[in-house]
Amino acid sequence: QVQLQESGPGLVKPSETLSLTCNVSGGSISDYYWSWIRQAPGKGLEWIGRGFISGVTYYNPSLRSRVTLSLDASKNQFSLRLNSVTAADTAVYYCARNPHGSNWFDYWGQGTLVTVSS
Amino acid sequence: QSALTQPASVSGSPGQSITISCTGSATDIGGYSFVSWYQQHPGAAPRLLLYDVNDRPSGVSHRFSGSKSGNTASLTISGLRTEDEADYYCNSYTSTSPLGVVFGGGTKLTVL
Repeated sequence: QVQLQESGPGLVKPSETLSLTCNVSGGSISDYYWSWIRQAPGKGLEWIGRGFISGVTYYNPSLRSRVTLSLDASKNQFSLRLNSVTAADTAVYYCARNPHGSNWFDYWGQGTLVTVSS
Repeated sequence: QSALTQPASVSGSPGQSITISCTGSATDIGGYSFVSWYQQHPGAAPRLLLYDVNDRPSGVSHRFSGSKSGNTASLTISGLRTEDEADYYCNSYTSTSPLGVVFGGGTKLTVL
């Protein structure tokens, strides 16, 4: 059974960089695309971007200038960096598996709340 | 990329059927047969219900079905149960960015 677990700081100061890692167990990250999706408190889902082990990445245009995704096959994990954060970036951040580069996500992490505040 | 449009809320009684719409444009729903739906209970991660408009992952009840016409996709839940009370989200590819994905704003289903 594939399991995903997000980890990282729960509090980030404005203008700093948000960094999260998703650890994947029960399967190799080399076979799929992997995405980050976030959900602001009381709001809907927002796709951040996806990456593949080859290094190819695709980003939400609204976040592209601030986002970097990377994958590490040796650790079977993938990471998100979002720089220059503001309070608007406060959200639950989910990592999810993305079969075949499709638009759907079949396995999700439990999510981690990141608050941007001084 | 603009979010897909869903009704904020729908409601139904146990045993009834309800339909949730998801309206986009020619650059997303209208341009692809790649619509998926998710169920999210409070405090939990979303769960995939349907993909490619009407395909169900293993373990998802046949009470959940999907369709698409033009720029609008729909999720139908038949034989409503109290445990179906949750938020529901649609999503689609969008041609506005390479391999881009866009979600709907979500619909709160209340089972009365």
